Amino acid sequence: SQQGEEDPQALSIQEGENATMNCSYKTSINNLQWYRQNSGRGLVHLILIRSNEREKHSGRLRVTLDTSKKSSSLLITASRAADTASYFCATDEISWGKLQFGAGTQVVVTP
Amino acid sequence: DGGITQSPKYLFRKEGQNVTLSCEQNLNHDAMYWYRQDPGQGLRLIYYSQIVNDFQKGDIAEGYSVSREKKESFPLTVTSAQKNPTAFYLCASSIRTGETTGELFFGEGSRLTVL
Repeated sequence: SQQGEEDPQALSIQEGENATMNCSYKTSINNLQWYRQNSGRGLVHLILIRSNEREKHSGRLRVTLDTSKKSSSLLITASRAADTASYFCATDEISWGKLQFGAGTQVVVTP
Repeated sequence: DGGITQSPKYLFRKEGQNVTLSCEQNLNHDAMYWYRQDPGQGLRLIYYSQIVNDFQKGDIAEGYSVSREKKESFPLTVTSAQKNPTAFYLCASSIRTGETTGELFFGEGSRLTVL
């Protein structure tokens, strides 16, 4: 079963705009991770946020985590055409010991 | 360079045939995983292994088998018992720290099509 659920399923923006996507989950977690997947390729790890952290930055990426609401958000600032990809959240559940992936948000950035 | 190598990239199979997908890593990771991805869906865990000579079923293990005889290798066999094997298969590895799963490193995937 899938733990994380991303919202929206798809997002279309223009270069220079910000892209925000959300992830909700159901149980207690050790950490939450975001991955990127270009079409037909493997996933690439973007950022990991631990359950005791509230916000984390990496370059143009900003991730927040609200464990009381069981939700996380990924913000990509000043988007570029090269950011076009699917983005997945994955949760490391405390009782599960493995990552559970959501269905992903497909982001299209047009020049 | 360190990483994970999956082969073949594309594979065609006739119904009733078993096929084996290769996954090799030189990252010295203890944990390895196999995921299945269908169009428009997330990744579903097939099998995982946290140490050599040990592996556990994931969410959708039926019709699949694995082995972990070497730390570097975690091959996946898709058997004829798998009813709908056409999918994109992803192998990954990670460091394990106690009960916490860290960053996964993925291969480039193998696309299996049943004719």
